[in-house]
Amino acid sequence: GQSLEQPSEVTAVEGAIVQINCTYQTSGFYGLSWYQQHDGGAPTFLSYNALDGLEETGRFSSFLSRSDSYGYLLLQELQMKDSASYFCAVLRDDKIIFGKGTRLHILP
Amino acid sequence: DSGVTQTPKHLITATGQRVTLRCSPRSGDLSVYWYQQSLDQGLQFLIQYYNGEERAKGNILERFSAQQFPDLHSELNLSSLELGDSALYFCASSFTGTGVSDGYTFGSGTRLTVV
Repeated sequence: GQSLEQPSEVTAVEGAIVQINCTYQTSGFYGLSWYQQHDGGAPTFLSYNALDGLEETGRFSSFLSRSDSYGYLLLQELQMKDSASYFCAVLRDDKIIFGKGTRLHILP
Repeated sequence: DSGVTQTPKHLITATGQRVTLRCSPRSGDLSVYWYQQSLDQGLQFLIQYYNGEERAKGNILERFSAQQFPDLHSELNLSSLELGDSALYFCASSFTGTGVSDGYTFGSGTRLTVV
């Protein structure tokens, strides 16, 4: 079977750094993806990690450890507009399965 | 504008009715995916089509059906609607058959309210 575990909520302060963790259990693992969804909006693709290590895209970075079945999304220099839900996702049986999402609250 | 077009944006209908949600994928994308998102729920995969053929199926109810047409647009048909079917329905598309590395492009969704 497969499951994705991520915290339901995380709170951080504007300008700070926050890490959103994701652990997965899945066979035939192809990589870990991250999506952002603002309230009432559509999910948008942020990143994809197929290999171990850190991938950086601007203020956002994503990390994967295949041996630990673990990954995280790192958001730096937090801005109020980063307030959103963040989903980790894996490919299983030709379809992407999403975690339940982590709601990120940012305090001024 | 993501390039994925979903219509209608909002739909209010009564229990027992049937509705059709429409999706036009981003130009060049061959795969279309349908997801359901209920309050406090994540994105639940319903079904995928690739170049006109059904490719993967999730926990889609028998009351629900979908198809992808030769022009690659897709329709999701929901029948015998129940209150619990009220949700946001997203369509997404990708160029590859899996979309895992290039990512899905989501439409803005159709908010279905069953009363």
